[in-house]
Amino acid sequence: SQQGEEDPQALSIQEGENATMNCSYKTSINNLQWYRQNSGRGLVHLILIRSNEREKHSGRLRVTLDTSKKSSSLLITASRAADTASYFCATVSYNQGGKLIFGQGTELSVKP
Amino acid sequence: KAGVTQTPRYLIKTRGQQVTLSCSPISGHRSVSWYQQTPGQGLQFLFEYFSETQRNKGNFPGRFSGRQFSNSRSEMNVSTLELGDSALYLCASSLPTGVGGMTSTDTQYFGPGTRLTVL
Repeated sequence: SQQGEEDPQALSIQEGENATMNCSYKTSINNLQWYRQNSGRGLVHLILIRSNEREKHSGRLRVTLDTSKKSSSLLITASRAADTASYFCATVSYNQGGKLIFGQGTELSVKP
Repeated sequence: KAGVTQTPRYLIKTRGQQVTLSCSPISGHRSVSWYQQTPGQGLQFLFEYFSETQRNKGNFPGRFSGRQFSNSRSEMNVSTLELGDSALYLCASSLPTGVGGMTSTDTQYFGPGTRLTVL
């Protein structure tokens, strides 16, 4: 079963623009992770944010977490055509055995 | 370090057959998890193995099973295949973390997946 929802389901932008994806979840978590998937291949881990953190940066990525609203956002700045992929948030709750529970994903298309 | 490898990459089977998929984790990783990805259900957790023991299981029927060997390599088996089992099967490995190594899902490293088609 899915833990949460991602919004939007699809996003199309021009190169150089920023892309923002949102993720909401239902139960308390220990950490939230973002993954990228290119064309039905394996997932690549992007960033992890723990429940006691509010914001984290990695290169052009910025992730925020609001545990009171049970939501997170992923911002990709100055997007490139190579960023075209599906992006998934995944939550981890240690009281549920620590497995990754994924959202449905956001399909990002960056046009050159 | 070599990444997670999965074999085979593609597989075509017919209903009623069984299939075995293999996953070799990153060297030193002792936890292996399996996920099923379909267009309708998305990414769903199948099970996790750590030190040759199944530590966690998702909501899948008993036709789905797995095991882990002493070298941490893992296999998953699906018996009596159904059309709905057509999916991308992803394996992920991770280092155990947390108290006593009991938590292993801080960061998972995924293989390229095995695409199974059931006809």
